[in-house]
Amino acid sequence: QVQLQESGPGLVKPSETLSLTCTVSGGSISSYSWSWIRQPPGKGLEWIGYMYYSGSANYNPSLKSRVTISVDTSKNQFSLKLRSVTAADTAVYYCATLGGSQTFDYWGQGTLVTVSS
Amino acid sequence: SYELTQPPSVSVSPGQTASITCSGDKLGDKYACWYQQKPGQSPMLVIYQDTKRPSGIPERFSGSNSGNTATLTISGTQAMDEADYYCQAWDSSTVVFGGGTKLTVL
Repeated sequence: QVQLQESGPGLVKPSETLSLTCTVSGGSISSYSWSWIRQPPGKGLEWIGYMYYSGSANYNPSLKSRVTISVDTSKNQFSLKLRSVTAADTAVYYCATLGGSQTFDYWGQGTLVTVSS
Repeated sequence: SYELTQPPSVSVSPGQTASITCSGDKLGDKYACWYQQKPGQSPMLVIYQDTKRPSGIPERFSGSNSGNTATLTISGTQAMDEADYYCQAWDSSTVVFGGGTKLTVL
């Protein structure tokens, strides 16, 4: 069974770049498509973006100008970069697989990122 | 942009049937899916392609989708079903989540 684990700084300063990595175990990263989803404290889920195994990516229009998702197949990892962060970007960030039914089948445990000086 | 609307909360007595709705323009023309999220946990898929249950999801979970509304139905609701539920659909190549519904079993 695929397992996902997010990692990265828990605190980021305003205007800086949030960088997170999702490490995949129990399967090859080349076999899946990948996504990032976030959840502000006490609020609902917000899709950030996904990358298909083919390499094509798509992002939430509201975040598109600040987001990049990339994959490192040699490390079985995929990453999220969110630039110019503000307090509104404070959230639990989840990585997830995007399955053949176009659903998010496996999720990481999530990591809380706080944007504060 | 496309929006999915859910009621903020639904209450149900144990053993009764809970229905959670998700509304969106011509949602019935798209596939809807549902995620369950318990406090402190990651979301978990419970219904996909409107009506299908992933392996391991109890039969008491069912779904439907027609017109502008998708519905998640939990029959014989148990205390363990108390959670937040999110609907999700695709609009072209973008993913849309509903705002979530807190299901209380009391």
